[in-house]
Amino acid sequence: LAKTTQPISMDSYEGQEVNITCSHNNIATNDYITWYQQFPSQGPRFIIQGYKTKVTNEVASLFIPADRKSSTLSLPRVSLSDTAVYYCLVGGFSGNTGKLIFGQGTTLQVKP
Amino acid sequence: NAGVTQTPKFQVLKTGQSMTLQCAQDMNHNSMYWYRQDPGMGLRLIYYSASEGTTDKGEVPNGYNVSRLNKREFSLRLESAAPSQTSVYFCASTGQAFSYEQYFGPGTRLTVT
Repeated sequence: LAKTTQPISMDSYEGQEVNITCSHNNIATNDYITWYQQFPSQGPRFIIQGYKTKVTNEVASLFIPADRKSSTLSLPRVSLSDTAVYYCLVGGFSGNTGKLIFGQGTTLQVKP
Repeated sequence: NAGVTQTPKFQVLKTGQSMTLQCAQDMNHNSMYWYRQDPGMGLRLIYYSASEGTTDKGEVPNGYNVSRLNKREFSLRLESAAPSQTSVYFCASTGQAFSYEQYFGPGTRLTVT
């Protein structure tokens, strides 16, 4: 499974757009990119998943360049409740069963 | 629809004691997982069950055993607890074998003294 690198922490203010970038230089052809969010004392929650270009849902957007060696999670107009740890995961489907390998994640602190 | 439930929420054990963490899901999911999360760390996979009747080791299986009791339930057993097993344990499930959209339970906070 591809190793990921993301910033340890980020600060933002309410109403701003936040972009968290994840590097995954060794991503394999069949790997998908998945982002999870975790609040204190809770289990992680799936946010978004993509393979290439751009994916958008009601919570976030995921931008993946053509070489797929990095990805950016974009959170529009964050609020205090978006303060959490965000994990970028990369994994493929061939021969596995959806095993997730979590890194240390990015702790996002949203300030008023 | 409760999703993924875990019991107990908190537990304190003495070194050498045994216990079983229970996990159940009501989403008719095929695959279930056990993770541990140490302070300031990401989650690490202990064991998983791709489908009822099968179990496999993850990254950190030593000191643990699992049982996939039926499609709904997946338990994690610590036979002889050690202080290094102090952690928060999360159970997760997913409906499709190749889906990375996993649903997590609320966690069990375990302290071994």
